[in-house]
Amino acid sequence: GGIITQTPKFLIGQEGQKLTLKCQQNFNHDTMYWYRQDSGKGLRLIYYSITENDLQKGDLSEGYDASREKKSSFSLTVTSAQKNEMAVFLCASSTRDWGGSSAETLYFGSGTRLTVL
Amino acid sequence: GDSVTQTEGLVTLTEGLPVMLNCTYQTIYSNPFLFWYVQHLNESPRLLLKSFTDNKRTEHQGFHATLHKSSSSFHLQKSSAQLSDSALYYCALSDRHMGYKLTFGTGTSLLVDP
Repeated sequence: GGIITQTPKFLIGQEGQKLTLKCQQNFNHDTMYWYRQDSGKGLRLIYYSITENDLQKGDLSEGYDASREKKSSFSLTVTSAQKNEMAVFLCASSTRDWGGSSAETLYFGSGTRLTVL
Repeated sequence: GDSVTQTEGLVTLTEGLPVMLNCTYQTIYSNPFLFWYVQHLNESPRLLLKSFTDNKRTEHQGFHATLHKSSSSFHLQKSSAQLSDSALYYCALSDRHMGYKLTFGTGTSLLVDP
């Protein structure tokens, strides 16, 4: 088994501030993801990375940067926090065995709850 | 682009009654993978079941779903709801041509009353 650790669990920021969220996994998974969770809007992909130093934009990448420093870690930066923004950011990881008849599972961290004052 | 539609935002039912949560999808690819993820209160989402085989029933923890490519559907069902089934359920879509990313629906909250 393994675990995904997201830090911090709660993040309070000011409008315009640059904020960084961190994620570590010990599954030894190749692929890591950042999703944003909003009530009624589901899980929307911000960035993902299929290997160390790789970055792929998701549907919601505007306003965010990401960095895959090493295989086990993936960080997300909110480049300029928006006033009254509230959301949960979920990090996930999976193996890269998506080919053939196999479809791999995403394992999620417990999330970072962002509030912008 | 690819999309997943879950038409019900909230489903409320009484314990013991059958559950059906709807999921339809759109993709240009012919061999999609479909998933159901469940998220209980104050927990993170976890995989409930997955399928890539047309017209084959997939079961896990009392829930089942069948991928029907003819109707682009992957509805989640259970014969008898339990209080512990109350949770947020996400349907998701992927395909080997989409790389390694999942597209999620907006989610359906299931509330089971005693």
